[in-house]
Amino acid sequence: AQSVAQPEDQVNVAEGNPLTVKCTYSVSGNPYLFWYVQYPNRGLQFLLKYITGDNLVKGSYGFEAEFNKSQTSFHLKKPSALVSDSALYFCAVRDRRAGANNLFFGTGTRLTVIP
Amino acid sequence: DGGITQSPKYLFRKEGQNVTLSCEQNLNHDAMYWYRQDPGQGLRLIYYSQIVNDFQKGDIAEGYSVSREKKESFPLTVTSAQKNPTAFYLCASSETRTGRIGDSPLHFGNGTRLTVT
Repeated sequence: AQSVAQPEDQVNVAEGNPLTVKCTYSVSGNPYLFWYVQYPNRGLQFLLKYITGDNLVKGSYGFEAEFNKSQTSFHLKKPSALVSDSALYFCAVRDRRAGANNLFFGTGTRLTVIP
Repeated sequence: DGGITQSPKYLFRKEGQNVTLSCEQNLNHDAMYWYRQDPGQGLRLIYYSQIVNDFQKGDIAEGYSVSREKKESFPLTVTSAQKNPTAFYLCASSETRTGRIGDSPLHFGNGTRLTVT
């Protein structure tokens, strides 16, 4: 069975400090991994994805994520947080195997950047 | 601009009534999805469709129905059989390559908040 865990419901960080939002996954084989961001009363916006190759993936708005196969993790990072980064962040995973089309989401982490 | 339009943004219904949520996309995507979002539970898949006139049940399809008569449209009906229909509903679409979704990201609409009393 596939699953995604975001162990922190809430992350608070001071503006200008680095931020990390954690994600671990459980899936057979090598999955596709995604991060999305959701602002209040809006849909989710795609930030970045891991397919293969370099373990550090760069995405939109200065975000990046580090894939760690041995720890089955895909943590989202940003070197310097902005107040406007405050939002709900979702990690998601999709199996690479043929016929696997569902995208499984974590429960979300609410990021608050404090001015 | 290409995108996904969900309407209405807010919807109120009495218990026992069926209600249909609209989802239209002009991204020319083959695949479309309906998710339900509840606080603290992330997103759960209700139905998805990879091609016109075909759709598959997701993890929580009971009490819901869909149709896919046109590529651009994927309406969701919340029936009176759905035990707890009050939620935020999100429609999404994605590209497919050789019939597979693979690494294609989902594009989301801005959601419909349904309240049933």
